[in-house]
Amino acid sequence: GAVVSQHPSRVICKSGTSVKIECRSLDFQATTMFWYRQFPKKSLMLMATSNEGSKATYEQGVEKDKFLINHASLTLSTLTVTSAHPEDSSFYICSARAGGRYNEQFFGPGTRLTVL
Amino acid sequence: AQSVSQHNHHVILSEAASLELGCNYSYGGTVNLFWYVQYPGQHLQLLLKYFSGDPLVKGIKGFEAEFIKSKFSFNLRKPSVQWSDTAEYFCAVNARDSGAGSYQLTFGKGTKLSVIP
Repeated sequence: GAVVSQHPSRVICKSGTSVKIECRSLDFQATTMFWYRQFPKKSLMLMATSNEGSKATYEQGVEKDKFLINHASLTLSTLTVTSAHPEDSSFYICSARAGGRYNEQFFGPGTRLTVL
Repeated sequence: AQSVSQHNHHVILSEAASLELGCNYSYGGTVNLFWYVQYPGQHLQLLLKYFSGDPLVKGIKGFEAEFIKSKFSFNLRKPSVQWSDTAEYFCAVNARDSGAGSYQLTFGKGTKLSVIP
């Protein structure tokens, strides 16, 4: 299958700082990218969906000003956690899809964020 | 909004035992169904998917799943598990979200499978 990478894989930051996570589709053009958050022993929760060149669509309860998403190109999307707090500590996973809903979503390896 | 239930949090089996992981969803419309696997330290990978046609779907590594529309179920099966099947398994449903109007993938909480050699 196609490959999706995330960088960094692990980040530790101080409370109040901002953290940027990159998601790249390495061998295909991703028209749609998704950002998920995974809590321990819980399912992946969709945070937002972004289409290249347009604003992201956020799920209910997700603060768009806190979780900034930029899908600047067909191979790159970034998630910036602004003014991070300890409760933002989590595992963030991106997913990319080429084409419409019948196409497979490919997942990145995830980024473990720890906010001290 | 749709929801997905996976009944077992942790399943422990011996090698060669048969496996069935339950998955039920709640959504009244047309759905696409998926099973993903996450091996330790690795990213999610697609095991199999159902869009239409034969409700018995065969996936990679000997896994299969059966879509039973009347029961809103999509259980995952494998006749004989191996130690290398130790992983976390996620059921997911792709359906149109009534609020957003777009298709989204909703995941169950996952079932951890431990296979004892």
